[in-house]
Amino acid sequence: DGGITQSPKYLFRKEGQNVTLSCEQNLNHDAMYWYRQDPGQGLRLIYYSQIVNDFQKGDIAEGYSVSREKKESFPLTVTSAQKNPTAFYLCASTPMGVEKLFFGSGTQLSVL
Amino acid sequence: GENVEQHPSTLSVQEGDSAVIKCTYSDSASNYFPWYKQELGKRPQLIIDIRSNVGEKKDQRIAVTLNKTAKHFSLHITETQPEDSAVYFCAASRGSGAGSYQLTFGKGTKLSVIP
Repeated sequence: DGGITQSPKYLFRKEGQNVTLSCEQNLNHDAMYWYRQDPGQGLRLIYYSQIVNDFQKGDIAEGYSVSREKKESFPLTVTSAQKNPTAFYLCASTPMGVEKLFFGSGTQLSVL
Repeated sequence: GENVEQHPSTLSVQEGDSAVIKCTYSDSASNYFPWYKQELGKRPQLIIDIRSNVGEKKDQRIAVTLNKTAKHFSLHITETQPEDSAVYFCAASRGSGAGSYQLTFGKGTKLSVIP
């Protein structure tokens, strides 16, 4: 199931700390996405990027930041402004114009 | 923006019976409706999808129906098996095919197939 890799698998955040979740893909996909998954809440879009050096806010972008300096990489930073960061974070990618999302295996973020 | 409601939140069926999960959407411009399956501890995977110009689509034991007038679509699984046990998510988007797709997901249905 290679192709899109998320790391780490588990991450712990202390109060007031920023943490960065990694997402790398070798599928040559143009678009990349970050979703947050909470129990019983489905998947909610945080940010997405269609091309390098460009990204747009999703439905719940507050308290998060992203960058897209390389086509293969789309890291997500959970800032201290995100007061309820505990969740499962999923990264996904698609070729441009294709609807099927290819998901990574996710990162579980917890607050200490 | 788009709002997708999914029912039921949990569903238990006996092995061999059928399972039906229903979703409604609010944005009449939505034109793409996928269903994702997420097994415990694994990533979501696309199992079937339908576009707004089609009323029904089947793939072996799985089918999806779409009613554009009523703005609802359903997933049907026949002859259920224990390996069908998972959380199923519906989604909707109004992608044009020229860019990326911003899917709005339902909250999920946990399906349990009892042997």
